Amino acid sequence: QKEVEQDPGPLSVPEGAIVSLNCTYSNSAFQYFMWYRQYSRKGPELLMYTYSSGNKEDGRFTAQVDKSSKYISLFIRDSQPSDSATYLCALRVSSNTGKLIFGQGTTLQVKP
Amino acid sequence: SAVISQKPSRDICQRGTSLTIQCQVDSQVTMMFWYRQQPGQSLTLIATANQGSEATYESGFVIDKFPISRPNLTFSTLTVSNMSPEDSSIYLCSVTTGGTDTQYFGPGTRLTVL
Repeated sequence: QKEVEQDPGPLSVPEGAIVSLNCTYSNSAFQYFMWYRQYSRKGPELLMYTYSSGNKEDGRFTAQVDKSSKYISLFIRDSQPSDSATYLCALRVSSNTGKLIFGQGTTLQVKP
Repeated sequence: SAVISQKPSRDICQRGTSLTIQCQVDSQVTMMFWYRQQPGQSLTLIATANQGSEATYESGFVIDKFPISRPNLTFSTLTVSNMSPEDSSIYLCSVTTGGTDTQYFGPGTRLTVL
């Protein structure tokens, strides 16, 4: 079993839709949770970073963490064609080592 | 955040040869890392580049295959040695900056081994 599971998609939605992206994990020691966006042929770009259960909002993006269920989500409201990319969840046990464990990434396409 | 550049951006190499990838940051950073992203796979940490000392390698990665240098706080190199087609991947440098433990990634080096 992988430490972090993420449905690779692809996920195709119409412009303006609400998008839900999810990861599940098995190791309860994970304490830090991130979402990265990666455009084709580019490096991952940090979108959201949280270390507690609950919701964190930034513009059209909301990150949700449920440590009891070992489940994290990223919601995108009013999705735009420019949101078309691969979204990767990344988890970390400790702030000291810096080692990130990544999900496989979900490819999202937002159609105009 | 930090501005990270990598050289080369892409390369096509022959089996058995070696390639050195450079990572340059525009400001001093606390930690530098090297990741690999194989086709259709997620990112996997190769090693943590330590300034002035040997890198710390993750399980499955060894110094003879992936020698790493970090001579100062803004620069690191990763060498992929004695390459085989299985080494065809994107190699990414990432850093954390002072006062924060969030990681930022470079644009990556796309390597194809024939």
